[in-house]
Amino acid sequence: SQTIHQWPATLVQPVGSPLSLECTVEGTSNPNLYWYRQAAGRGLQLLFYSVGIGQISSEVPQNLSASRPQDRQFILSSKKLLLSDSGFYLCAWSRGGLHTEAFFGQGTRLTVV
Amino acid sequence: KNEVEQSPQNLTAQEGEFITINCSYSVGISALHWLQQHPGGGIVSLFMLSSGKKKHGRLIATINIQEKHSSLHITASHPRDSAVYICAALPYNTDKLIFGTGTRLQVFP
Repeated sequence: SQTIHQWPATLVQPVGSPLSLECTVEGTSNPNLYWYRQAAGRGLQLLFYSVGIGQISSEVPQNLSASRPQDRQFILSSKKLLLSDSGFYLCAWSRGGLHTEAFFGQGTRLTVV
Repeated sequence: KNEVEQSPQNLTAQEGEFITINCSYSVGISALHWLQQHPGGGIVSLFMLSSGKKKHGRLIATINIQEKHSSLHITASHPRDSAVYICAALPYNTDKLIFGTGTRLQVFP
């Protein structure tokens, strides 16, 4: 069966520090991968999506970047965190685009202090 | 105005009540997802619809493509159903979901 792992679950980081959130998928190959952010009191917003290794599309300009070094690994990074980067980050995957079912990770609650 | 609107924003119910959460969207879509977000934040996919109706246990989801409207129903609600329910629409020719802001449901015993 397919599973998605996202870590860490919670993170408190000082302003200006780097960030690395990792997401891995098991039990499938060549998934479409997504990073979403949910800011307090707001809906989910797509940050990045990837249809293959090394292929990243960014949806909104921001202080974050994403990489896909392996087929089932998706990493969200920042060189210097801002207070406004605080929020809940979710990784998701789908087999062939979101006209099929999407599967979400458990999320990472990031607090930048 | 958001392209995906949910109502109500907040909903409280007594155990056993029938629950309806509504989702309206303004764009043409190829699919619509209903998601459940638990207090810890983790999200579970409940349904993916492109037409008609789907049922899973006490949950029923319907969609009317012509009216650009979907509903999520919970029969015989239970306190463990307490969560935020989110609808997300997938416009044609894109792989980018547009999310509603969610409906916070609390079911009391």
